[in-house]
Amino acid sequence: AQRVTQPEKLLSVFKGAPVELKCNYSYSGSPELFWYVQYSRQRLQLLLRHISRESIKGFTADLNKGETSFHLKKPFAQEEDSAMYYCALKKYGGSQGNLIFGKGTKLSVKP
Amino acid sequence: NAGVTQTPKFRVLKTGQSMTLLCAQDMNHEYMYWYRQDPGMGLRLIHYSVGEGTTAKGEVPDGYNVSRLKKQNFLLGLESAAPSQTSVYFCASRATSGGLADTQYFGPGTRLTVL
Repeated sequence: AQRVTQPEKLLSVFKGAPVELKCNYSYSGSPELFWYVQYSRQRLQLLLRHISRESIKGFTADLNKGETSFHLKKPFAQEEDSAMYYCALKKYGGSQGNLIFGKGTKLSVKP
Repeated sequence: NAGVTQTPKFRVLKTGQSMTLLCAQDMNHEYMYWYRQDPGMGLRLIHYSVGEGTTAKGEVPDGYNVSRLKKQNFLLGLESAAPSQTSVYFCASRATSGGLADTQYFGPGTRLTVL
């Protein structure tokens, strides 16, 4: 079964420190993965998608098929990065491309 | 464009009451979704729709019904609310073609409390 695991409920770092939010997935095929972010009192929004190989707000995420991971990284965290982060996997098998979300990691960046 | 809007923003119900949550999108998207967000559980899909007049069950459909009579609207109904349905409900939509076809656009959420 397809599954997304975010092992950390809460991650707390100091401003300027590197940050890595972990995401592991289970899927035997070629996955399509996303990171969504929810800032305080705002709606969820797409942060980045692995097929775009982009860097958004200084964040990057690399797909590692060997480790079945899609960790989100930023070299120098900022206070405005504090938010809830969700990793998501596109579901296959007749489900119209629905997303399977992880349980989320709350990132807190301290001054 | 307003994007995805949800009505109401907050609601308090008593056990057994019914209500309907409205989701509207002005992006001409075919797909629409209803999720619930609970602490420690992440986002779970309740129901979804791949087009006007069609709906399908998601991961946690029990206790909910949906309708998609118009392409731009997706309604979520609770016929007999239970405390276990206390949650934040999010609606989302996505296109079926184009470079951002896999991107889901979310509404602001509806915070529902069932007493």
